[in-house]
Order: sequence, then C-alpha cells, then structure tokens
Amino acid sequence: EAGVAQSPRYKIIEKRQSVAFWCNPISGHATLYWYQQILGQGPKLLIQFQNNGVVDDSQLPKDRFSAERLKGVDSTLKIQPAKLEDSAVYLCASSLGAGQIDYGYTFGSGTRLTVV
Amino acid sequence: AQSVSQHNHHVILSEAASLELGCNYSYGGTVNLFWYVQYPGQHLQLLLKYFSGDPLVKGIKGFEAEFIKSKFSFNLRKPSVQWSDTAEYFCAVKTNAGKSTFGDGTTLTVKP
Repeated sequence: EAGVAQSPRYKIIEKRQSVAFWCNPISGHATLYWYQQILGQGPKLLIQFQNNGVVDDSQLPKDRFSAERLKGVDSTLKIQPAKLEDSAVYLCASSLGAGQIDYGYTFGSGTRLTVV
Repeated sequence: AQSVSQHNHHVILSEAASLELGCNYSYGGTVNLFWYVQYPGQHLQLLLKYFSGDPLVKGIKGFEAEFIKSKFSFNLRKPSVQWSDTAEYFCAVKTNAGKSTFGDGTTLTVKP
C-alpha cells in the first residue's frame, strides 16, 4: 500500500511570500488532516476534511492559511503571506474515517518550511 | 478542550533498561488513545492504540500501554529497550467528537 505522499520536502521562503503544500492521501481514505508541528511541540491540527468537506478548521489561521480538497482526494495547503512563526513541519495524514472506531492516522513525511 | 501531557521531555536509558513514558489527558468523555513513534529521519508511525476492552494494549516491537481510566493515563512501557528504540514518542487522544490532540512528545535516547 502506498503511503501518504507530500511535496515538497523542504521549502525556504522569505516572510510575506506565499507557499503551497500538496498532499495525496492513501487511496480510499476519506479523512485527510493537515497538522503543523513546530520544533519541540506535538502536531497541532490545522484542518480536517471528510471527503471534500471541511469537518474542523477551528485552529486554522484563516487570515493567511487556506486549504482545499478538490474531488475528495488530493489536498493543498497555502500560506499567504508567510510569517516567521510559520516555520514548522507541515504534516498531512489520512485515515479511513472520522468516527470513533478508527485505526489511527497514516502520516506523510511532511514539508519542512523555513521562513526567513 | 482536551489536552495531553507527556511529563518526560527527554529520557536517556542504557540498552536493556526498562522504559515507561507517561501520558495523561484531560477529557471526561469516551476516548481513543494512541502512541505514535518517529524514528530519526522518518515519518510518524502508529505504535499502538486503545479503543475499548482490555486496558493493556500490546503494540509493535514489544511495546505495550496501559489505560487507567481513573487516572486519565495511558503510559507506554517496554521491558527492555534497544538502541534502535531511539526516537521521539507522541501520545494522542481522540474524542468521540473526532477531535485528536497530540502531546508534545518525549525524546528517547538509548545508549548502546
């Protein structure tokens, strides 16, 4: 089974620039998550999709972050404009469903973003 | 809102020593509990999970965790660690509303 694919692996941008990350979940996984992991901290949920609908985006800084999941498969996360504090690893994960009976997430390798 | 606390930020052990990593959560309802591991240079992987039933859960590579509901705890254990267990370990809690929260992780260093 192919894993969760993310690109790019690394990105360095200047503050106020924009950046986009891409994620392709495991085939058949209805739920897709974007997490932000700042160095020394655990992953923090940014947005959760169920198919192509948003389930939870309560912690997404909507003034600068946006995400979409067209056709319920691939997803992109965008930051515009970036701030220094956005430097982090952005993780994409997928799972079969969002119900209580779940089997944990499968994570991608992440995109390490450095904002200078 | 729920929270997850991992008490040990960095643990250093010698090979063959026993391991116990603490995890406490704050949420009064039904939860699913997970431990994830991130080996150096690799992505997060599921180590073990608890949904219901036997509170002692066995995972991969000889790890186990015990859910103690009265203490809101889900501590990870291994009787004898190996150098290859050097990694970062994350506890995660998922509520019946589908919201998951991760702890800040514990870095385990095993000295050969």
